[in-house]
Amino acid sequence: EPEVTQTPSHQVTQMGQEVILRCVPISNHLYFYWYRQILGQKVEFLVSFYNNEISEKSEIFDDQFSVERPDGSNFTLKIRSTKLEDSAMYFCASGGGYNEQFFGPGTRLTVL
Amino acid sequence: KNEVEQSPQNLTAQEGEFITINCSYSVGISALHWLQQHPGGGIVSLFMLSSGKKKHGRLIATINIQEKHSSLHITASHPRDSAVYICAVSKGGSEKLVFGKGTKLTVNP
Repeated sequence: EPEVTQTPSHQVTQMGQEVILRCVPISNHLYFYWYRQILGQKVEFLVSFYNNEISEKSEIFDDQFSVERPDGSNFTLKIRSTKLEDSAMYFCASGGGYNEQFFGPGTRLTVL
Repeated sequence: KNEVEQSPQNLTAQEGEFITINCSYSVGISALHWLQQHPGGGIVSLFMLSSGKKKHGRLIATINIQEKHSSLHITASHPRDSAVYICAVSKGGSEKLVFGKGTKLTVNP
């Protein structure tokens, strides 16, 4: 069964460094999402992406964040200058439409 | 106020028991999702529904649009059902999911 994959599974970085989280969505899906979950808290929406552009973003998704679909298969989330409060689990999801969303296993980001 | 509220927050059951987890929401929705999150952190989609009832194995999800309420039932619960169950909604006019805080279920043998 097709699935969403994410790499790396765990990323440790120093505050101020740039990180790129990678996702490979399900191949025929057209809608892509990033969510995050701070430890002990609920999952929060970051951004949705459709037709090669951002379709919706949350207040969390400020200028430090960017998304890209560089090669038609990968979907990346870049954090330009990480802060301690960016430490969280980051989930990628993809969907073919009609509200369906399939989640990847997540990347645990630890900012020291 | 949270747009999606779940109850209970924690639930402990004995193997074989019938489990019900509730979700209420306060916004117009196009769909409601039930998700499962295991201790490792990964999220698995269980159901997406916009009306009525869906069943998959021992899991049943129902939704009452008028009352803005959904329930997830697990029949004949098993220790492997132990996980956090999350309710999330797709708000009308938006693709993003809005999540509840989750219900932590522990099923003891």
